[in-house]
Amino acid sequence: DAGVIQSPRHEVTEMGQEVTLRCKPISGHNSLFWYRQTMMRGLELLIYFNNNVPIDDSGMPEDRFSAKMPNASFSTLKIQPSEPRDSAVYFCASSFRQGLAGGPGGQETQYFGPGTRLLVL
Amino acid sequence: EDQVTQSPEALRLQEGESSSLNCSYTVSGLRGLFWYRQDPGKGPEFLFTLYSAGEEKEKERLKATLTKKESFLHITAPKPEDSATYLCAVQTGRRALTFGSGTRLQVQP
Repeated sequence: DAGVIQSPRHEVTEMGQEVTLRCKPISGHNSLFWYRQTMMRGLELLIYFNNNVPIDDSGMPEDRFSAKMPNASFSTLKIQPSEPRDSAVYFCASSFRQGLAGGPGGQETQYFGPGTRLLVL
Repeated sequence: EDQVTQSPEALRLQEGESSSLNCSYTVSGLRGLFWYRQDPGKGPEFLFTLYSAGEEKEKERLKATLTKKESFLHITAPKPEDSATYLCAVQTGRRALTFGSGTRLQVQP
C-alpha cells in the first residue's frame, strides 16, 4: 500500500499567489481530513470529507481557503490569495469509517501523509 | 470544548531508562484516544487506539493505557531510535481528531 500521497512536498510562493495542495487517500478509505501544523498551534483540523462530501469545515480559517474532493481518490486544498501567516505544514489524512452513523461504532484510524511544507514570502 | 494536554513538553532519557508520557483530556463522548509518533519532517505515524477505560495496548517497547481522564504511554528500556515527538489525540462524535501539543522525546546512547 502506497499510503496517503501528498504533493508537492515543499512549496515556496510569494504573498498574493494562489497555492494548490493535492492529496491522494489510501485506496478504499471513505473519509479524508486536511490538517495544518504550526509551532504555535500544533495540529489543527481544517476540513474533512466523508464519501467525497464536506462534513465539517469549521476549521477553515477564512474564505481564502477552499477544499474540494471531486472523487474518492483525489482532494485539493487551495489558498487564494496566500499570506505569510499561512506558512505551515499541511497534512492530509484518510480513514475508513466502520459502524453505523451516530452509533457506538464509527471507530476508525486516520493515516497521515508526509505533508506539504508551505512557505509564503 | 475538547481539550488535550500532554506532559512533559520534552523528555531526555538515557538508553534503557524507562519512563512514561502523560496525556490528560477533557471531552464529552470519547470515541477513541490515539497515540501517534512523529519524526522530523514526516507525518504522524499511527501507534495505538484505546477505546475504553482500563484498556491497554503494547507494541515492542511501548505500552499505552487509558483511564477516564488520562492516558499514559510507557516506554520500557528505550533506544535512540525511539527519539521522536509523541502525539496524543482524542476523537469524539465530531470525528476529527483533537491533538495535544506533543512530547518531544530524546533518547541518548
